[in-house]
Amino acid sequence: GEQVEQRPPHLSVREGDSAVITCTYTDPNSYYFFWYKQEPGASLQLLMKVFSSTEINEGQGFTVLLNKKDKRLSLNLTAAHPGDSAAYFCAVTPNNNNAPRFGAGTKLTVKP
Amino acid sequence: NSKVIQTPRYLVKGQGQKAKMRCIPEKGHPVVFWYQQNKNNEFKFLINFQNQEVLQQIDMTEKRFSAECPSNSPCSLEIQSSEAGDSALYLCASSLSVLGGRDTLYFGAGTRLSVL
Repeated sequence: GEQVEQRPPHLSVREGDSAVITCTYTDPNSYYFFWYKQEPGASLQLLMKVFSSTEINEGQGFTVLLNKKDKRLSLNLTAAHPGDSAAYFCAVTPNNNNAPRFGAGTKLTVKP
Repeated sequence: NSKVIQTPRYLVKGQGQKAKMRCIPEKGHPVVFWYQQNKNNEFKFLINFQNQEVLQQIDMTEKRFSAECPSNSPCSLEIQSSEAGDSALYLCASSLSVLGGRDTLYFGAGTRLSVL
């Protein structure tokens, strides 16, 4: 079945720096990709959903890149601020009739 | 704030005891998922439902785990005979789409099970 590996498990950056989190997956037929954010004490909330037809996805203060050839999904926070401090999880759906498989998460700390 | 309600937040059981946790999905969401998140934050998919019917489940779920989503009642996940390795955060999520894999999952806060 689909295997999702997420790196790094912990990431600490200074305010204004960029932060990059990467997930690799195994199933080349995966079609739906998600990034979730979990703030301390809160439940997971969707950050962005992307489809396999879209390689670059822009959000507010972040970019999600999908490289289907390398089976890699990345989240790039362009200028991190302390409010971005949270755990981030990627999720990959092998096909549209399966439950998403999650990465093990990245705990991001943004220091002022 | 999450509209998926999980109870209880914490559950402590001895080995061999039953452990039961409940989930009320977001209103109007026909698809419900259960995931197990271990101390290393790794997610393991357990089972999902469309309304009252099981869509998929893993082998582990078929042996000691049972789950249901009855009509007009909370969904539940029950471990018949708890083991130390079952200690984890159990997350319930719901989804609007009947093809759950493509739609956003809305998560509850989880039930943290400790098996002593």
